[in-house]
Amino acid sequence: GAGVSQSPRYKVAKRGQDVALRCDPISGHVSLFWYQQALGQGPEFLTYFQNEAQLDKSGLPSDRFFAERPEGSVSTLKIQRTQQEDSAVYLCASSSTSGNADTQYFGPGTRLTVL
Amino acid sequence: QKEVEQDPGPLSVPEGAIVSLNCTYSNSAFQYFMWYRQYSRKGPELLMYTYSSGNKEDGRFTAQVDKSSKYISLFIRDSQPSDSATYLCAMSSGNTGKLIFGQGTTLQVKP
Repeated sequence: GAGVSQSPRYKVAKRGQDVALRCDPISGHVSLFWYQQALGQGPEFLTYFQNEAQLDKSGLPSDRFFAERPEGSVSTLKIQRTQQEDSAVYLCASSSTSGNADTQYFGPGTRLTVL
Repeated sequence: QKEVEQDPGPLSVPEGAIVSLNCTYSNSAFQYFMWYRQYSRKGPELLMYTYSSGNKEDGRFTAQVDKSSKYISLFIRDSQPSDSATYLCAMSSGNTGKLIFGQGTTLQVKP
């Protein structure tokens, strides 16, 4: 079946521009996670949704980062006034239940480069 | 100090070798331990999932967890060139779904 998809796969933004990154989780998956992966590093947690509710946003690095999942399926991560330090791969993952130890399936990521 | 420490390598081995990868951690609340494999420009793919201490085997892969030492390992037997990738350890307390990852170890298996 289809896995987690993300778009765009690559995004180049000029410093100060706003960007929106999309995640399509596996159909029916309740939980959705966003992670940020800097070059040569492991993924770092940004935020977590259970259906449409954002239950944990403790990893968002600043108020320039905003995520939503209004209908409990597709999610968008928005970054306002991008900075060079925002350059990274943004990974989305979904899991089938609200169980906190459930397996997370990752998408291919969106590689954001801020010039 | 990071919650999860992992040697980034790179690690280069000949085909057929046994590979040992490991992570240490500091948070005693971690109960769920995972190993992900990540190929270049791809998302992480789950390899092994272990709850609490003990061993788990799946084909050529064996995961070990020693909670008393806060140390986890992944062993790959009869390594293949297709195993060349970055291996990420990840952990969770189970209180939330948040995963804490190590830095990742880059492995190259030479034919």
